[in-house]
Amino acid sequence: AQSVTQLDSHVSVSEGTPVLLRCNYSSSYSPSLFWYVQHPNKGLQLLLKYTSAATLVKGINGFEAEFKKSETSFHLTKPSAHMSDAAEYFCVVSDRNFNKFYFGSGTKLNVKP
Amino acid sequence: GAVVSQHPSRVICKSGTSVKIECRSLDFQATTMFWYRQFPKKSLMLMATSNEGSKATYEQGVEKDKFLINHASLTLSTLTVTSAHPEDSSFYICSARDNRVPYNEQFFGPGTRLTVL
Repeated sequence: AQSVTQLDSHVSVSEGTPVLLRCNYSSSYSPSLFWYVQHPNKGLQLLLKYTSAATLVKGINGFEAEFKKSETSFHLTKPSAHMSDAAEYFCVVSDRNFNKFYFGSGTKLNVKP
Repeated sequence: GAVVSQHPSRVICKSGTSVKIECRSLDFQATTMFWYRQFPKKSLMLMATSNEGSKATYEQGVEKDKFLINHASLTLSTLTVTSAHPEDSSFYICSARDNRVPYNEQFFGPGTRLTVL
């Protein structure tokens, strides 16, 4: 069965400092993993995805994530937080055919001035 | 490209009434759409997979007769919450897969907040 665990429900950083949002996955086969962001009153937006190519994945807005099979992790990072990054972030694992998306519980990122 | 819209964005209804929510893919065709439910401070939970021209596939524990899904065309799926009750109040989100890239990401709508009084 597929599942993801987001280790932090809330993360607070100061503007200009690095961001780390943690995600661990469980999968019975080689997974496809995604990070989505949800701003208030807006739809979920894809930040990046891993589908068995390069383990370091670069996404939009300066975000990137590294797939580590040995640690079953897919943590999201950004070198320097911006106020506009404040939002809810979801780590997602899909089944083989991309039919079912399994969402983590979400991490709310707060960026302080 | 790959925009999904939902209508309405918010709806308030009385207990016992039915509410219809529309999900449209605006610039692509989608044979497959998905309906999710998001509880406050909780993750998204897949309710059902909507297939154009055939019956929807419901996840375990989701009442088929309460949550009616119709995928009438390649750009429109509807979710009807029948005989709504306060416990049905939630944020409902749809997503769609682009037919041109079937085995890939889902594109999400902005969601519909349903409040049942």
